Amino acid sequence: RKEVEQDPGPFNVPEGATVAFNCTYSNSASQSFFWYRQDCRKEPKLLMSVYSSGNEDGRFTAQLNRASQYISLLIRDSKLSDSATYLCVVRVVLDSSYKLIFGSGTRLLVRP
Amino acid sequence: SAVISQKPSRDICQRGTSLTIQCQVDSQVTMMFWYRQQPGQSLTLIATANQGSEATYESGFVIDKFPISRPNLTFSTLTVSNMSPEDSSIYLCSVPRGGGEQYFGPGTRLTVT
Repeated sequence: RKEVEQDPGPFNVPEGATVAFNCTYSNSASQSFFWYRQDCRKEPKLLMSVYSSGNEDGRFTAQLNRASQYISLLIRDSKLSDSATYLCVVRVVLDSSYKLIFGSGTRLLVRP
Repeated sequence: SAVISQKPSRDICQRGTSLTIQCQVDSQVTMMFWYRQQPGQSLTLIATANQGSEATYESGFVIDKFPISRPNLTFSTLTVSNMSPEDSSIYLCSVPRGGGEQYFGPGTRLTVT
């Protein structure tokens, strides 16, 4: 079983649609959670951190359920520019370090 | 925000050869990370490189295949040794950012023929 699992995608939606991505993680020692965005042939970039109370940044809303080990990302009023791969990422703290574990990503295609 | 550069940006190499990838950061950082992203896949951590100590490798990655240098707090290299077509990937370095997330370099796209 993968440590971080995401919806397989791709999601193909019209402009203006609302789309939700789900993610589950298996390591109960995971301490921090993020959504990254990766455009084609580019490096991943942080979209937003995910907090236990849930958080919103414009059209984007992230939710975390620690009991269920579940993370979600909601995108409202989709734009063409939202087309990208969205990576669910968890941070696991080790003895003297930490590491990020990436999900396989969910591809979003927003069509006119 | 940190500015990270990588060299080369891309290369095509013959099997059996080695390639050294450089990662330069515009500020001093204790930890640097090296990742691999195989075609159509997500990122997999290869190793964590701390200045002044041996790199820590993840399961499935060994120093003989992916030797890493970390001579100072702004620079690191990753060598992909004795390459085979299976090593064709994008290799990315990253550095920590406040809050636990990471900044990524632009990546090195490697094709092994």
